[in-house]
Amino acid sequence: QQQVKQSPQSLIVQKGGISIINCAYENTAFDYFPWYQQFPGKGPALLIAIRPDVSEKKEGRFTISFNKSAKQFSLHIMDSQPGDSATYFCAASNNNDMRFGAGTRLTVKP
Amino acid sequence: DGGITQSPKYLFRKEGQNVTLSCEQNLNHDAMYWYRQDPGQGLRLIYYSQIVNDFQKGDIAEGYSVSREKKESFPLTVTSAQKNPTAFYLCASSTGTSGATDTQYFGPGTRLTVL
Repeated sequence: QQQVKQSPQSLIVQKGGISIINCAYENTAFDYFPWYQQFPGKGPALLIAIRPDVSEKKEGRFTISFNKSAKQFSLHIMDSQPGDSATYFCAASNNNDMRFGAGTRLTVKP
Repeated sequence: DGGITQSPKYLFRKEGQNVTLSCEQNLNHDAMYWYRQDPGQGLRLIYYSQIVNDFQKGDIAEGYSVSREKKESFPLTVTSAQKNPTAFYLCASSTGTSGATDTQYFGPGTRLTVL
């Protein structure tokens, strides 16, 4: 049973556009929601993370929006750049039990 | 230079052979994890360890074994009982405490191919 559902599976955005990736979770015990960025052949790297006591967190061009009542959270990448082309994973965690979404392959076209 | 190292980067195995993947961390983290990554399926947990000499099965432990004799090391053995071992294997570590320090840091991965 997939505890974190991520969409879309793939996304193509023009340079300078906004990339939006969505995730939904089921377990209300989750209390930590990170996003990871992975380049081909590399391990995932933490991009940004949020806890459920805030509805939004912004770091540079990356923003997490969090809706606790809907059990949904999303990643927004502003002014998307070709260097942002990678696979993005959302995750949800409680007490070190971390569940990952299936990933979104983002391609930013120049 | 702190971090997680995995070796080898690429590994080829003949059917019926056991292979061991190495994972070492110098972050002084208590918890360590092994994930398997297949295309379109995200990361699936194989085994995890929250303290030395203790480990628990994850969602897909069948055909795998681990040990945690040292805090810094968490090797994974892929046994011949694993029916479809070709995948990208990722090791991660975290401080082991709950809350904001749940962050898991990943190694560069090992790509295992069964010939």
